[in-house]
Amino acid sequence: AQTVTQSQPEMSVQEAETVTLSCTYDTSESDYYLFWYKQPPSRQMILVIRQEAYKQQNATENRFSVNFQKAAKSFSLKISDSQLGDAAMYFCAYRPMTAGSGGGADGLTFGKGTHLIIQP
Amino acid sequence: DAGVIQSPRHEVTEMGQEVTLRCKPISGHNSLFWYRQTMMRGLELLIYFNNNVPIDDSGMPEDRFSAKMPNASFSTLKIQPSEPRDSAVYFCASSSSGVKNIQYFGAGTRLSVL
Repeated sequence: AQTVTQSQPEMSVQEAETVTLSCTYDTSESDYYLFWYKQPPSRQMILVIRQEAYKQQNATENRFSVNFQKAAKSFSLKISDSQLGDAAMYFCAYRPMTAGSGGGADGLTFGKGTHLIIQP
Repeated sequence: DAGVIQSPRHEVTEMGQEVTLRCKPISGHNSLFWYRQTMMRGLELLIYFNNNVPIDDSGMPEDRFSAKMPNASFSTLKIQPSEPRDSAVYFCASSSSGVKNIQYFGAGTRLSVL
């Protein structure tokens, strides 16, 4: 079974600074997707960034980027120029790339999350 | 697009009562997922459907939990009888079978069983 580990229950960063959230995972699959989701106090789950394992290039979305190390099974999220609105729980998630039965998708395996605090 | 719609937003019930949570996926999506979020266990996949067919229900905690998807635009998660340890936030998510296969989440239902 796949597992996802986030070793930082809480992180704090000054506004405008850069912060990196860690994530490691365990899988025997060679092809898979990795995600970072953000959950603000509203509890809505919002996709931040997505990485396909077969792509060597690290994904970026504006101020958000990842450092994907496939051999090390590591997938960290870097937030540049932190803003007050970035304060939230951040969840790392894994999904195998192979299609589920019936042609659809498989479910996500989540880490326990990192609570990100932005200091003004 | 209205996104994934869940109802109710909040549910408070007494132990032993039946609870039904509802979900309307994004139109055109053919995969639907139910997740549960608790402080102790985090986010867990309960069950998912592809093309209205249940594929994997190994995450359903007990026989008290059941889920149905009678058509492509509606799914329910039922707990009967409910227990205090079922208190959690329940999320529904949907995705298409396209290349990106991104799961979009509803706002969740916060269930409190007294």
